[in-house]
Amino acid sequence: KAGVTQTPRYLIKTRGQQVTLSCSPISGHRSVSWYQQTPGQGLQFLFEYFSETQRNKGNFPGRFSGRQFSNSRSEMNVSTLELGDSALYLCASRLLQGGTEAFFGQGTRLTVV
Amino acid sequence: KNQVEQSPQSLIILEGKNCTLQCNYTVSPFSNLRWYKQDTGRGPVSLTIMTFSENTKSNGRYTATLDADTKQSSLHITASQLSDSASYICVVSANTGFQKLVFGTGTRLLVSP
Repeated sequence: KAGVTQTPRYLIKTRGQQVTLSCSPISGHRSVSWYQQTPGQGLQFLFEYFSETQRNKGNFPGRFSGRQFSNSRSEMNVSTLELGDSALYLCASRLLQGGTEAFFGQGTRLTVV
Repeated sequence: KNQVEQSPQSLIILEGKNCTLQCNYTVSPFSNLRWYKQDTGRGPVSLTIMTFSENTKSNGRYTATLDADTKQSSLHITASQLSDSASYICVVSANTGFQKLVFGTGTRLLVSP
């Protein structure tokens, strides 16, 4: 069974641009969450979607947004990119609301120059 | 406030030696605790899960312990190998309606030949 797939794997953008990252969860998983990981900061929770609805949100500015489609695939968008947005963005899927094991994708490495 | 703290931040050990990583949490109400291993540039992968009633659980050379009274967990790695070099992340699940996950900042382990 295929794992969590994130695209693209690597991305280079310039300040001020916007970017959209994609995440396809494990088949049958309906919960998708997004995390930002920077060196020394650990995993910072962005938001979680379940059944196309945002269920939980971390402390990130409004430039970070997301959505989930009816097939559970999710996208994350960052507008007006800043240098500090350079990070590894990880997506994780869970089987059900309340499922505790998060299965992570390989991440998208975003570099803002 | 729900928090997970890990120590040490980083650790260097010689191949073949043992080591123990620590995790203290204040997450309430507690559901379970997972240890994840994250290789550089990849997504985290679950190693073990500990529920309230479990004290010890092993997965090969990895042994996790949980003391629910003191809210502490440890991950012991026996006979370390070069492939154990990675970040180890402690994740506690809150027993709320949506099983919120609280992440530690991780311990970066380097196994030296």
